[in-house]
Parts: sequence; structure tokens; C-alpha cells
Amino acid sequence: DGGITQSPKYLFRKEGQNVTLSCEQNLNHDAMYWYRQDPGQGLRLIYYSQIVNDFQKGDIAEGYSVSREKKESFPLTVTSAQKNPTAFYLCASSLAGGSFQETQYFGPGTRLLVL
Amino acid sequence: AQSVSQHNHHVILSEAASLELGCNYSYGGTVNLFWYVQYPGQHLQLLLKYFSGDPLVKGIKGFEAEFIKSKFSFNLRKPSVQWSDTAEYFCAVIPGGGADGLTFGKGTHLIIQP
Repeated sequence: DGGITQSPKYLFRKEGQNVTLSCEQNLNHDAMYWYRQDPGQGLRLIYYSQIVNDFQKGDIAEGYSVSREKKESFPLTVTSAQKNPTAFYLCASSLAGGSFQETQYFGPGTRLLVL
Repeated sequence: AQSVSQHNHHVILSEAASLELGCNYSYGGTVNLFWYVQYPGQHLQLLLKYFSGDPLVKGIKGFEAEFIKSKFSFNLRKPSVQWSDTAEYFCAVIPGGGADGLTFGKGTHLIIQP
């Protein structure tokens, strides 16, 4: 099956701890994105990557970091600097970075909870 | 920066009622417009999209949306809703010319009563 997988489905973080959320796609898409979804807030862009080894900050990048060493993978690290990390995190991908006509496809999401 | 406004956070309708969900955006240039839907327990999925051409676009499951450039609007419509349409609906915008992430509205939670 082609698609986007995110793991884990639920993740618990202790105070002061960094955690990493996984996002993998086998769609051969160039561009990948991370969004955060909060109740009543919609989705907000954290980071995006149009091509391997390149990424840009989105609207709410503070307290997060990413890497894009492989085309298929775009992991998101929630650092201890993120003061309000409890949220639902969605990963997305699109066929071609640099083309605004590409539809974004979303993964199932990871719910992060702070203990 | 562009923004997207969805007028209603919660909408409750009876089956067979007609639906219109409002969406307005603030970007003045060329835009691409999307409606995404999130059914309970499922992935966010594309309902329909507008890139260019006919401003009336048709999507899956009988949904359609009309792009009115002069009003900066992209309202979603369905003539007769079903119980299975219960979901959260998001309008999203991306400005033309780039592959930045989508700017989403805050969503409308639609509940269809049988």
C-alpha cells in the first residue's frame, strides 16, 4: 500500500525531554510537511521540506527541529523548548516541491501528551 | 501573511438539509484553494480543490465549492447531506508560485442528525 505512515500513534513526553515523531512516505513525493492541530485552531505549519537536505521554518517552528536526510523520511523532534507540546501532529507530502498546484496528502497523525 | 476564516465552528443539520460552509481568505494574489475533511478516526483527506479555470469545482461525495474572486470566498456546498457527512471540514489556501505549506482555517465541525 502506498501512503504516509506516522509513528507512534500516541506519544508521552516528560518535562525537559526531547521526543521524535516519525513520518515516512512511499509515494516518491519530493515535498514533506509537518502541521500541528489544536482544538479550535485548525492546522498550523511547523516545518516543510521541498527537497532532500533542505527545509524551511513554518509559522510555528520555535521549539521544534527537523531533518530530511532521505526522501522518504521527515522526522520531527519536539524539544524541551516547546512549552506547550500537547497536540495532534500531522505529516503531509506532495509530489513536487516548488509547484504550488500539488495536492498535499496527510498521514494518520501522532497525538503527543505531556506527563 | 495570508489568513483563512471559516465562519461557523459548529454546524448541526438534519439529514437531507442543504449545506453551505463559508470560507474567506485574505491573500490578494493568485491562490490555490482546498477543502479537506476529517471523518471521525480517519486521516485528513482532500474533498476538492481549485487551481484555475471553472470557478465551480466538484469534489467527492457530492460536494462542490465556488470560487468567487471578488469576494475572496470559496464556500463549500452540498444540496442534501447525509449522516455520514458528520466530520470536521477545513478550508485551506496556498499562494500561487510556491510550495509553502497550506494555511488552514480553524475548521467547522459538522454534525448531521439522523
